[in-house]
Amino acid sequence: QVQLQESGPGLAKPSQTLSLTCTVSGGSIGSGGYYWTWIRQPAGKGLEWIGRIYTSGSTNYNPSLKSRVTISLDTSKNQFSLNLSSVTAADTAVYYCARVTGGGFYDYWGQGTLVTVSS
Amino acid sequence: QTVVTQEPSFSVSPGGTVTLTCGLSSGSVSTGHYPSWCQQTPGQAPRTLIYTTNTRSSGVPDRFSGSILENKAALTITGAQADDESDYYCVLYMGSGIWVFGGGTKLTVL
Repeated sequence: QVQLQESGPGLAKPSQTLSLTCTVSGGSIGSGGYYWTWIRQPAGKGLEWIGRIYTSGSTNYNPSLKSRVTISLDTSKNQFSLNLSSVTAADTAVYYCARVTGGGFYDYWGQGTLVTVSS
Repeated sequence: QTVVTQEPSFSVSPGGTVTLTCGLSSGSVSTGHYPSWCQQTPGQAPRTLIYTTNTRSSGVPDRFSGSILENKAALTITGAQADDESDYYCVLYMGSGIWVFGGGTKLTVL
């Protein structure tokens, strides 16, 4: 059974970089055929697709966040990561990682981690 | 940027049928958008009910079905139950590796 678990600081200061990691268990992140994806949800609001990375390392980002987002893969640790720079209070949200098949099936989700941006 | 539209809220009686829709601010939804539907209850991570328009995820009851109706993706719940009361989100593939979620529909069963 594949499981995803987000981890990282729960608090980030304005203008700094938010960094989160998603650890995958029960399957190899390097096995191919999947897009490893980040999604976020501000309190009381809807889901926002942030971006994804393929096993090859190729990335795609939400155009509205593209200038601030970097997603990377560490196959040796079976993890992928999110860096979001120059954060503001508007970046406060629950951040989810998910595995997505080539056909667009969001088949496994992490439980989510709350990141608050505040001084 | 194209916006994915959903009804903000919907209400259905227990045992009733409801169809939630997922449209585009510009253009029509097609199977090429690979529409998926996710269900989320408060405090929980979303779970995918339907993907590639009409494929049910493992373990999802067959009262949930997906389709394309009048240029929108649609999620139909036939014989709604109390525990179907949740937020429902669609997500569409927009091309060039980009996906966009709709704003979500809050479904009330009463």
